[in-house]
Amino acid sequence: NAGVTQTPKFRVLKTGQSMTLLCAQDMNHEYMYWYRQDPGMGLRLIHYSVGEGTTAKGEVPDGYNVSRLKKQNFLLGLESAAPSQTSVYFCASSPGLVHSYNEQFFGPGTRLTVL
Amino acid sequence: AQSVAQPEDQVNVAEGNPLTVKCTYSVSGNPYLFWYVQYPNRGLQFLLKYITGDNLVKGSYGFEAEFNKSQTSFHLKKPSALVSDSALYFCAVTAYGSSNTGKLIFGQGTTLQVKP
Repeated sequence: NAGVTQTPKFRVLKTGQSMTLLCAQDMNHEYMYWYRQDPGMGLRLIHYSVGEGTTAKGEVPDGYNVSRLKKQNFLLGLESAAPSQTSVYFCASSPGLVHSYNEQFFGPGTRLTVL
Repeated sequence: AQSVAQPEDQVNVAEGNPLTVKCTYSVSGNPYLFWYVQYPNRGLQFLLKYITGDNLVKGSYGFEAEFNKSQTSFHLKKPSALVSDSALYFCAVTAYGSSNTGKLIFGQGTTLQVKP
């Protein structure tokens, strides 16, 4: 099993450009999450999904959109990138609501720089 | 509102000495508590969790954590530190039955530096 994978690993954007980050998991997990990690601030939840076709806002959703068309994939989109979105983005997955105490499994991260 | 505090940005310890990384939390309802470790340029790896039962939880790589309900703390401990333990450590909490079920709230992280 590959676990949670993220594409791309690195990306540099200019202000105003758009891009999509792809997260894939092969553990048949129901829940998927997108976080951003900034120095001294821990991980903050951007959006999450409790199942295929569903999405919900997290703590810092502004400027991002997500889609969960397939159970194994969770896409994070930036429509018009801003320097404030320079960060490391992590995707995670977990089994689901009944098992809400189960740990989340994290991908390796995407380092995004917006100039 | 749920929150997690890790009061130390960095903890320094000599190899072979015991280590403690502190975490306090605030939740409505019964807490589920987690510790994760992050090595440079890597994703987070799960270390251990407290769900219910014994207040002392044992996890990966010789780490353990003690749940203290009265002090709302979940400190991470290891009896004998290794240089390879040097990394960034995150405490996280969720509460079953609350509107935040399934969503983790993370502390800001504590850098552990173990010196030879």
